[in-house]
Parts: sequence; structure tokens; C-alpha cells
Amino acid sequence: DQQVKQNSPSLSVQEGRISILNCDYTNSMFDYFLWYKKYPAEGPTFLISISSIKDKNEDGRFTVFLNKSAKHLSLHIVPSQPGDSAVYFCAAIGAAGGTSYGKLTFGQGTILTVHP
Amino acid sequence: GAVVSQHPSWVICKSGTSVKIECRSLDFQATTMFWYRQFPKQSLMLMATSNEGSKATYEQGVEKDKFLINHASLTLSTLTVTSAHPEDSSFYICSARGLAAWYEQYFGPGTRLTVT
Repeated sequence: DQQVKQNSPSLSVQEGRISILNCDYTNSMFDYFLWYKKYPAEGPTFLISISSIKDKNEDGRFTVFLNKSAKHLSLHIVPSQPGDSAVYFCAAIGAAGGTSYGKLTFGQGTILTVHP
Repeated sequence: GAVVSQHPSWVICKSGTSVKIECRSLDFQATTMFWYRQFPKQSLMLMATSNEGSKATYEQGVEKDKFLINHASLTLSTLTVTSAHPEDSSFYICSARGLAAWYEQYFGPGTRLTVT
């Protein structure tokens, strides 16, 4: 049962353009959402997060949007840079009292390639 | 800050032997540590959650007698893969959570285990 889904295995974008990575979830008990960037043979590095009580969080070139009614979130990177090329994972954490409290549930990841 | 290290970064062992992987939080006290495994081109799957001084909590389907977890101090957790088999070959990643935000986990660089 894949509770966090990233349906696009890969995305290719031209340098300077916007990259939009999408994520859907099924568990309504998820309370916090995070995006991680990962290179092969390395651990994930935290990018940006958003609480379920917000619909937008911005940090520099990265913006995360949350549509709670649609159980959908997206990560926007603008402008995209070649150094952004990596695998991006969406992750969710459950609210207190639930079985997924404090535990990260990851999506399958999306490989982003930014071409110069 | 918030650096997590893992040792070794890669290990090759023979089938039937045991392998120990260390996870250390270098500049903060980790009340909780998590162990994940990642198969090629797949997501990170949570194996277990360990709290300092108590027994680890394993996710469904993870054999606790095969994957021994010890969290003896606030800066060190170990994962021992006992009687390793080729199907245990994977990328093992730990993460640590401190006393700050409940949703923040800091990941180690991972350990590549190959069982021959």
C-alpha cells in the first residue's frame, strides 16, 4: 500500500525554467510533508517542509504547495539550475496519536535532470 | 550542524556472516534514530525506529532477529545484519532526530552492503 506516490519517475527541464515535482498521498492522518534531495549512494538531504495547516511555504528558489483537499503537494524550483539534478523524494509524517506519528513515509522519487 | 555519520560506507561480506553498521549523530543528541533500506531505483523503506535505552520498534515484515538494532547512547545506534544472505544486499541509511522539531530527521550518507 503506497501511501505517498510520485507518479512521474523522471522530469527533464531546461536551465532557468521552472521545475514542478508532484506528490500525492492517501493517508489523511499525515500532518507534515517534506521534500528531500538525494544523490546516488548518499543519504537524503532536507530541502523544504510544510505543515498541513498551511498551503504554501517558500525558501529561496524552492516553494512547496499543499492542496489538502486533493491530498496533493508539489515542489516548484525556479529558476532551475544544473546542480539541481538529483532524485527528489516527497515524504510525509503522521499526526500525533496515529501509527505513522514521527515516521517518514517516502514516495518513490522523481529523477530531475536540468539541462544547461 | 545536525551531522549524521555512518560507518562503514560500503562493505562486502560472505553469505552467513554478520555485519555491523554504525550510525552516529556528531553534533547533537539523537533521542530517536531510524533505519531505512533502499533497493535500486526504489524508495526508502523504514525498517525500524530506535529510542535510546529501549528496544527498537520494527516495521511490519522486518525480521527483528535478523536485523539487530542497538541504541545504547544518545549519539550511537548500530544495525547488525545477522547471517547475511545475498538478498540482504542493499543500501542502508540511518537518520536521527534530536530534541528540536519532531518532524526533522537528519540522514547519514548510507552504507552499501553486498553479500556474496
